[in-house]
Amino acid sequence: DAGVIQSPRHEVTEMGQEVTLRCKPISGHNSLFWYRQTMMRGLELLIYFNNNVPIDDSGMPEDRFSAKMPNASFSTLKIQPSEPRDSAVYFCASSLGTGQGMGGYTFGSGTRLTVV
Amino acid sequence: GENVEQHPSTLSVQEGDSAVIKCTYSDSASNYFPWYKQELGKRPQLIIDIRSNVGEKKDQRIAVTLNKTAKHFSLHITETQPEDSAVYFCAARSTSGTYKYIFGTGTRLKVLA
Repeated sequence: DAGVIQSPRHEVTEMGQEVTLRCKPISGHNSLFWYRQTMMRGLELLIYFNNNVPIDDSGMPEDRFSAKMPNASFSTLKIQPSEPRDSAVYFCASSLGTGQGMGGYTFGSGTRLTVV
Repeated sequence: GENVEQHPSTLSVQEGDSAVIKCTYSDSASNYFPWYKQELGKRPQLIIDIRSNVGEKKDQRIAVTLNKTAKHFSLHITETQPEDSAVYFCAARSTSGTYKYIFGTGTRLKVLA
């Protein structure tokens, strides 16, 4: 298995532009998580899905952020419009069930987003 | 909601010495505590975990201890090696609410050769 696959690896965009981050979870995993990592705030959970359904989106910072999971093998995180303070590394992770006792989460390689 | 505090934020040890990283959590309903290692520019990777019905777990040079009464858990690395240098994150998962993990703020460990 190739693991959790994220794209792009790096994204540089201008303020105000729309940004779409993509994630392919491990086949068979039914929970998917989007995290944001910054030096100041560490790893923050933005949203998580179970069986393609959003379960908890309380970490989504504001309406500019949205996430979808149209099927078990694909999810997107969209920022529209983007702002410089959105610059961070965005990780996608997946797990089987709720991630307990099955190896925990498996993280993707992350997308480093820079908004200028 | 759950809050996880992690100390220290940075830690330097001599090669061969031990390193200890401590975390406390707030939600007494938390029952699963994983530890992740993140090397520079890479993804966090699970290195060890412990459930609330166990007080200690060991895997070669790393061990984790859990004190449910005090709501704290610790990572112990013995005989440290330069390749142990990384950022380590603790996390706690609650059985209440939405079962999400809350991560600590990370400890940057530097092993000096």
